[in-house]
Amino acid sequence: GAVVSQHPSWVICKSGTSVKIECRSLDFQATTMFWYRQFPKQSLMLMATSNEGSKATYEQGVEKDKFLINHASLTLSTLTVTSAHPEDSSFYICSSPGQITDTQYFGPGTRLTVL
Amino acid sequence: GENVEQHPSTLSVQEGDSAVIKCTYSDSASNYFPWYKQELGKRPQLIIDIRSNVGEKKDQRIAVTLNKTAKHFSLHITETQPEDSAVYFCAASSSGGYNKLIFGAGTRLAVHP
Repeated sequence: GAVVSQHPSWVICKSGTSVKIECRSLDFQATTMFWYRQFPKQSLMLMATSNEGSKATYEQGVEKDKFLINHASLTLSTLTVTSAHPEDSSFYICSSPGQITDTQYFGPGTRLTVL
Repeated sequence: GENVEQHPSTLSVQEGDSAVIKCTYSDSASNYFPWYKQELGKRPQLIIDIRSNVGEKKDQRIAVTLNKTAKHFSLHITETQPEDSAVYFCAASSSGGYNKLIFGAGTRLAVHP
């Protein structure tokens, strides 16, 4: 099956700094990548949809200037949390649909802790 | 807007019993309904899915049923085992395109030996 990797698996940063999370499709071309945020004991909340070569589409209530998404190639999408604050601490997960099915393949997630 | 409701939020069963989790969706155009199992700190793992042209699908101890008219779909786990303990999420495809999924709130299943 399709494999999605994510880096880093965890990161701790100081308040006010920016953090970049990378999501890679290892054995398929990901024209679309979804970015989710999951707070403890809660569901996955879709933040934005990125498409290779075009601007990301953000869900209502998600600040596009705070969560910068870049999808410059068919195998890499990045999420940058700018000026991070403690309330941004969460589990961030990316996923991509396979090339020939609508099944979504999830990355292993990145746990962000902002001090 | 699009919404998926999931019940119950927690479910506790004895090993060997069956567990049933139910979801309802609002978007009549939804045509793909996956179920994911998530263990603590891990990625969601697809355990079974069903498409709108099928009413039921089974894979060993796991089955999913879909009632398109009522916009209901359910996950059935038989002969539960302690390793089935996890959080289960249902999801429904969005008519918004790009294979977007709308997730339910999750069910925390505990299987007691």
